[in-house]
Amino acid sequence: AQTVTQSQPEMSVQEAETVTLSCTYDTSESDYYLFWYKQPPSRQMILVIRQEAYKQQNATENRFSVNFQKAAKSFSLKISDSQLGDAAMYFCALGEGAQKLVFGQGTRLTINP
Amino acid sequence: DAGVIQSPRHEVTEMGQEVTLRCKPISGHNSLFWYRQTMMRGLELLIYFNNNVPIDDSGMPEDRFSAKMPNASFSTLKIQPSEPRDSAVYFCASRSSGLNTGELFFGEGSRLTVL
Repeated sequence: AQTVTQSQPEMSVQEAETVTLSCTYDTSESDYYLFWYKQPPSRQMILVIRQEAYKQQNATENRFSVNFQKAAKSFSLKISDSQLGDAAMYFCALGEGAQKLVFGQGTRLTINP
Repeated sequence: DAGVIQSPRHEVTEMGQEVTLRCKPISGHNSLFWYRQTMMRGLELLIYFNNNVPIDDSGMPEDRFSAKMPNASFSTLKIQPSEPRDSAVYFCASRSSGLNTGELFFGEGSRLTVL
């Protein structure tokens, strides 16, 4: 069965600093996708970044990057130069092929001005 | 392009009443998902459809919950009778299997409060 674990219920960071959110997962498949979604107070789920398991190169999207460790089944999100607008719940998710996405419990990120 | 459209945005009802939540997926997307979000249980998949056919409904809590997808552009999630423990935010999401990117596109959610 697929499982996703986010061990940090809450994190905080000073504006302009860097923060890393942790995620571990379990799957028996070799082909899968990993995602980070952001949920601001508006509650809209917004895709932040995506990683295909077959790609060794870590995905990056502007200030957002991941550290994908396939053997360790770890998928952390690094946010550089944190901005007030980054404050939100962040969810890690695992998807296998055309199947459903399984989500972690989320990490609430606070940005301190 | 319009995103996933859900209605209503907010619903307050009394225990025992029927609740119907609606979803219009993104045009061209052939997979549709219903998730429920609560503080205690996080985001749980209730059911998903591929090409209008239910594929996995193992997350549907009990017989009070039912979901339909009569065509490619519309789905409903019905709760009858509703109970206070059904209070949650219900998300609909869609995806195109043709894109092969795996990501889901979410609606803005329907917040349900059962008194």
